[in-house]
Amino acid sequence: DAGVIQSPRHEVTEMGQEVTLRCKPISGHDYLFWYRQTMMRGLELLIYFNNNVPIDDSGMPEDRFSAKMPNASFSTLKIQPSEPRDSAVYFCASSLMSGGGETQYFGPGTRLLVL
Amino acid sequence: SQKIEQNSEALNIQEGKTATLTCNYTNYSPAYLQWYRQDPGRGPVFLLLIRENEKEKRKERLKVTFDTTLKQSLFHITASQPADSATYLCALPYSSASKIIFGSGTRLSIRP
Repeated sequence: DAGVIQSPRHEVTEMGQEVTLRCKPISGHDYLFWYRQTMMRGLELLIYFNNNVPIDDSGMPEDRFSAKMPNASFSTLKIQPSEPRDSAVYFCASSLMSGGGETQYFGPGTRLLVL
Repeated sequence: SQKIEQNSEALNIQEGKTATLTCNYTNYSPAYLQWYRQDPGRGPVFLLLIRENEKEKRKERLKVTFDTTLKQSLFHITASQPADSATYLCALPYSSASKIIFGSGTRLSIRP
């Protein structure tokens, strides 16, 4: 398996623009997580899905952020409109099952810079 | 809510020595604790998991301990090598929820 795939790897955009980050989890994994990492706040969980259904979005900063998982092999994280404070590395991770300590497999991340 | 504290400062170790990283948590004792490694520009990679009923876990040169009384986990790398240089993150589950919280990580540098 190729592991978790994320695109784009780097994104530079201007404030106010819409940004869409994409993730393809490992085949067969039924949990998908979106994280954001910054120097100040570390690695923060934004939202996670189980079997394509959003379970907990309490980490989503505000209404400008939205995430979808239309099928088991694809998820998007959208920021509309983007702001400079959204600049961070966004990671997608997947796991086979959660709650019992199962490993999370992370993608390479998308480095977002909002000017 | 659960909070995790890791050595905020970087740890510099001479090659060949044992590196010891600390992870302290507050509030409830988790059912398990995980350690991940993160290299610059990459996502975290899982290393080890230790459950609350386990005192110690080993994997090659890695050893993790879990003291639920002290609310602490120690992560040891024996015979450290420059290739071990990375940031190490500990992670705990959110109570009974199916998600984990990560510590801020400790940057480890092994000098030749």
